Amino acid sequence: NAGVTQTPKFQVLKTGQSMTLQCAQDMNHEYMSWYRQDPGMGLRLIHYSVGAGITDQGEVPNGYNVSRSTTEDFPLRLLSAAPSQTSVYFCASSYDRNNYGYTFGSGTRLTVV
Amino acid sequence: AQKITQTQPGMFVQEKEAVTLDCTYDTSDPSYGLFWYKQPSSGEMIFLIYQGSYDQQNATEGRYSLNFQKARKSANLVISASQLGDSAMYFCAMREGRGQLTFGSGTQLTVLP
Repeated sequence: NAGVTQTPKFQVLKTGQSMTLQCAQDMNHEYMSWYRQDPGMGLRLIHYSVGAGITDQGEVPNGYNVSRSTTEDFPLRLLSAAPSQTSVYFCASSYDRNNYGYTFGSGTRLTVV
Repeated sequence: AQKITQTQPGMFVQEKEAVTLDCTYDTSDPSYGLFWYKQPSSGEMIFLIYQGSYDQQNATEGRYSLNFQKARKSANLVISASQLGDSAMYFCAMREGRGQLTFGSGTQLTVLP
């Protein structure tokens, strides 16, 4: 099992560019989520999904879009990158919302210049 | 209002001694889960221990135990017999609602030889 795979691991963007952070899991997990981690802070929830075709906003959704067309994939789209979106992004998945087995990806370090 | 509060930005402990990392939480949901994660300098999120709101006994996982005091809304992590490899950032997190995780700001633990 690969677990939760995030690509790319590192990315530098110019202000105004768009890009997609990829997240894929092979554990047949229904629940997937995206977090960002800024220096000195814990992880903050951006968007989450409780199943294919269902997404919802978390604490800091502005500037990000998500979709969940398959159980396996949950991409995060930055529509027009801003320096404030410089952060480390983590994807996590779980079998269902009550399951305590959250598996995290290894993270994507994004810098917007 | 903060949902998860970790009041110790940094902690030091001597090798082989025990250390307690504090975590308080706030929720009105009767069903919730509490987690502790370890984040070493390499950046990955490592699951340590879980406590469900209806669990009668404190959770234990090897050298980790969770001191769950429901009435006080606290979920402190106790690490016994600290090792140099325990030096890392530690995050307390709470699951509620549709499965969202809310993280505290973390405690940087340094184990001294």
